[in-house]
Amino acid sequence: GESVGLHLPTLSVQEGDNSIINCAYSNSASDYFIWYKQESGKGPQFIIDIRSNMDKRQGQRVTVLLNKTVKHLSLQIAATQPGDSAVYFCAENKGGGGSNYKLTFGKGTLLTVNP
Amino acid sequence: DTAVSQTPKYLVTQMGNDKSIKCEQNLGHDTMYWYKQDSKKFLKIMFSYNNKELIINETVPNRFSPKSPDKAHLNLHINSLELGDSAVYFCASGAGQNYGYTFGSGTRLTVV
Repeated sequence: GESVGLHLPTLSVQEGDNSIINCAYSNSASDYFIWYKQESGKGPQFIIDIRSNMDKRQGQRVTVLLNKTVKHLSLQIAATQPGDSAVYFCAENKGGGGSNYKLTFGKGTLLTVNP
Repeated sequence: DTAVSQTPKYLVTQMGNDKSIKCEQNLGHDTMYWYKQDSKKFLKIMFSYNNKELIINETVPNRFSPKSPDKAHLNLHINSLELGDSAVYFCASGAGQNYGYTFGSGTRLTVV
């Protein structure tokens, strides 16, 4: 399933299912995107990144898709496990280059995996 | 060996007090950041420093004063704390453009 909403979106899946988390970004000039995972009480942890000259990138059990036409980013998690339960953030580079580089984060999606 | 370490992890203080949060990174990165995460989990950049020089200041009240004694350290001092300052503050460091950040584990600040 997919999640939408103005507040922190929530996605609940069964263990073993695939998860898809979506993100709409705002700046068509953004050229670098990252997905972060934040577990309760911890800092955000890098999962996977993608540059704007790509539309798909795969990691271990995760795939990021980038659609620049509609400014949309998604994270697919295969065979979701209880340890995947966390808040997931997309982030984009909106701040220009060099030392002005900064990442701007989306609102986050809470993923809950049911055993 | 923790890559980005912040202290303290928890900080409870009264309104009007002054407090500091310390951050250190051992990754050799030139750039360090402070982010604030509110109760709705929204992460907003506050400051960035590149090799001890302030680069980004995102209209943060001047009660917040970052200090970078060297490129491995970025501390955050907050004067005259207000209730609205209650949040989780994250330090991060980065290797540069088109690389992700490494975050610390956060400091949960509660102002009562």
